[in-house]
Amino acid sequence: GENVEQHPSTLSVQEGDSAVIKCTYSDSASNYFPWYKQELGKGPQLIIDIRSNVGEKKDQRIAVTLNKTAKHFSLHITETQPEDSAVYFCAASRSNDYKLSFGAGTTVTVRA
Amino acid sequence: DVKVTQSSRYLVKRTGEKVFLECVQDMDHENMFWYRQDPGLGLRLIYFSYDVKMKEKGDIPEGYSVSREKKERFSLILESASTNQTSMYLCASASQSNEQFFGPGTRLTVL
Repeated sequence: GENVEQHPSTLSVQEGDSAVIKCTYSDSASNYFPWYKQELGKGPQLIIDIRSNVGEKKDQRIAVTLNKTAKHFSLHITETQPEDSAVYFCAASRSNDYKLSFGAGTTVTVRA
Repeated sequence: DVKVTQSSRYLVKRTGEKVFLECVQDMDHENMFWYRQDPGLGLRLIYFSYDVKMKEKGDIPEGYSVSREKKERFSLILESASTNQTSMYLCASASQSNEQFFGPGTRLTVL
């Protein structure tokens, strides 16, 4: 089955700086890569996703890049703000499969 | 506003008890999921369901069972709770685009 590895496990950044989280996956047939944000006391919520037919996708301060050859994808948060502090999860799945394989999560802390 | 609700936020049970965790979604989604979340392990899939009365094992089904009698409701059952089932349990339902909507979670402690 799919194995998703996520790094780093914790990340502390100064407000206004950028944050980058990286994930690798093992199944070359995976072609859907979502990112979820989990705030304290809440369930994860989708913030951005990318499919294998594109290499990059951007939504305001967040962007995701995908390298299918190397089987890795990354989340980039620019101009970080205190409300970006949360746990972030990457995930991967095949197009005909609703099951997601999640990474272990990254706890991001934005220092004021 | 779309919603996935879970019956309890916190639950404390004793070893050997039968435990029911209930999940309800109001989005008419066909796909529903139960995960457990443990520090350093991310979200691990226990069971999922593609339709009413249909269920499939996920990655860690041992010690669990599920029930889906109605489209909006997906229940997770611990037949005989054990201490290693102490965890955060998350329910989700998925849209056609595979966006998963999560409930707030149930933190279960088994003593």
